[in-house]
Amino acid sequence: GIQVEQSPPDLILQEGANSTLRCNFSDSVNNLQWFHQNPWGQLINLFYIPSGTKQNGRLSATTVATERYSLLYISSSQTTDSGVYFCAVNDYKLSFGAGTTVTVRA
Amino acid sequence: DAGVIQSPRHEVTEMGQEVTLRCKPISGHDYLFWYRQTMMRGLELLIYFNNNVPIDDSGMPEDRFSAKMPNASFSTLKIQPSEPRDSAVYFCASSFSSAGEAFFGQGTRLTVV
Repeated sequence: GIQVEQSPPDLILQEGANSTLRCNFSDSVNNLQWFHQNPWGQLINLFYIPSGTKQNGRLSATTVATERYSLLYISSSQTTDSGVYFCAVNDYKLSFGAGTTVTVRA
Repeated sequence: DAGVIQSPRHEVTEMGQEVTLRCKPISGHDYLFWYRQTMMRGLELLIYFNNNVPIDDSGMPEDRFSAKMPNASFSTLKIQPSEPRDSAVYFCASSFSSAGEAFFGQGTRLTVV
């Protein structure tokens, strides 16, 4: 199956800082999603982004499908951004990376 | 739509007991997925259905696990008998198409003692 690698595994930010999370995948995909798992365990949809760039408030994402990677940008981070960010790719099933644990300190 | 609905939210059971987890997908979604999340293995796909038919159950850990989808609005994941190593968070997800955006329920936290 497709291998999904996320980096960095852990990220500690001061409130207001910007950051970039990376997702590399090993093969062509039909779909790529970014999720935020909040401290209560809920998986929140951030982006459905097989290719191109999307923005939603302080978050944006870019997928370069031909080079098999996607980036998630967090700008002006807030404590509520803390949690685990997952990248998931779809060939015929959604396969998840191990996640990036983000801690935003006030 | 209320999103994907799972029940119960929490389940504590004794080893050897039968456990049934329930899921109601988003109306109109033809694909339903069951995932398990553990610290050791992360999020792993157990089984998925298309139009109520199981398509890939290769992720089901062993015969103690079974899943059904009797109609388009309901699915169950059953563990019988349960073991402590089954303790995990079980998620159900649904999507409109195989490559469509998937939406997850709030999960069921299962503890087997």
